[in-house]
Amino acid sequence: AQSVSQHNHHVILSEAASLELGCNYSYGGTVNLFWYVQYPGQHLQLLLKYFSGDPLVKGIKGFEAEFIKSKFSFNLRKPSVQWSDTAEYFCAVKGSGYALNFGKGTSLLVTP
Amino acid sequence: GAGVSQTPSNKVTEKGKYVELRCDPISGHTALYWYRQSLGQGPEFLIYFQGTGAADDSGLPNDRFFAVRPEGSVSTLKIQRTERGDSAVYLCASSLTGGLTDTQYFGPGTRLTVL
Repeated sequence: AQSVSQHNHHVILSEAASLELGCNYSYGGTVNLFWYVQYPGQHLQLLLKYFSGDPLVKGIKGFEAEFIKSKFSFNLRKPSVQWSDTAEYFCAVKGSGYALNFGKGTSLLVTP
Repeated sequence: GAGVSQTPSNKVTEKGKYVELRCDPISGHTALYWYRQSLGQGPEFLIYFQGTGAADDSGLPNDRFFAVRPEGSVSTLKIQRTERGDSAVYLCASSLTGGLTDTQYFGPGTRLTVL
């Protein structure tokens, strides 16, 4: 069965610090990878996605993620976070089925 | 354009009661998904519709849960004999075709509380 593991459940950073959120998955076949974000009081929205091609994917608001197939990882990065990046971040994997399999999420708090 | 909408935003009910949760997908999207998110967890898949038919209901936890999409647009998730463990946020998502590379767009969710 597929599983998605997000290493950090709670992260606190100061503004301008760099961010890296870990995501590892367990699945043997071809995967499609996603990062979703949920800002306070808002619904889940897509940050970025990877299907094929260049393993370094750029998304909205300066986020990027790198797919490392050998490590079954899809870590999210941002060089300099802002207070407005405070949110819950979810990694998700889709294999051959239709469902997204989500990790438990990482709560990011950015302090001014 | 309009996104996915869900009603009600909050539902409080008593154990044993029946509830219906509604989802209105993005216009033109043929694929519709229901997920459930418990506190401290990521969303968990319940059921997937392609058009009017349930193409994959493998995530429904038991036969108290049922969902319909009679006209291929609005969907209703129905929960019979609710239990306290059903308390969660129920999320609906839609995508254009249901293809493997489709982006799923989520609604705001319905927070269900079973007392």
